[in-house]
Amino acid sequence: AIQMTQSPSSLSASLGDRVTITCRASQGIRNDLGWYQQKPGKAPKLLIYGASSLQSGVPSRFSGSGSGTDFTLTISSLQPEDSATYFCLQDYNYPYTFGQGTKLEIK
Amino acid sequence: EVQLVETGGGLIQPGGSLRLSCAASGFSVSTNYMNWVRQAPGKGLEWLSVTYTSGDTYFADSVKGRFTISRDNSKNTLYLQMNSLRAEDTAVYYCARELSVKYNNGWYNWLDPWGHGTLVTVSS
Repeated sequence: AIQMTQSPSSLSASLGDRVTITCRASQGIRNDLGWYQQKPGKAPKLLIYGASSLQSGVPSRFSGSGSGTDFTLTISSLQPEDSATYFCLQDYNYPYTFGQGTKLEIK
Repeated sequence: EVQLVETGGGLIQPGGSLRLSCAASGFSVSTNYMNWVRQAPGKGLEWLSVTYTSGDTYFADSVKGRFTISRDNSKNTLYLQMNSLRAEDTAVYYCARELSVKYNNGWYNWLDPWGHGTLVTVSS
């Protein structure tokens, strides 16, 4: 199975900050990666698919980049509602595998 | 509104069986790939299984041979039959629709929406 290594596992940032989360795949996965946001007690919500395509209705401050093995989720200007855990998911092949998650806290 | 609602979770003894249901509204499970994902307490997400519209199914190694996935198109519902349950199967179980769009070299796939989850606790 493809391993997804996500970093950092947690981070604390201030409102308005630019935040970057990375995922590295154990083998090339083209652009077959999505990013999801999960708030406590809630189901995950899709943010980005195909490594860089923004899901409809997701604020434009979220963006994704990368290809092959290295991927990045960027929040350009942190808002209070962005406090959540973020996961990457590779959909290149089964079994689909998730990154371990990044817990984002607002200072 | 496109929505998924899971039911069927609860407390079950090790070695027992449980069937989870995932009722869909706003779309048909018969024409979509459907997945199960779980999240153990305080842990990350683990993909478990998918069923294709063709009937093909795939499973994570951790549940292969113990779990089966199926759907009842007349009830617009997805199921996860879980047998030989272990303590490590304790988790919130989510169902999710898988969508795809073709691009140059293949398909982009993603899971959306997800249900709210149902908690399964395996304990004596």
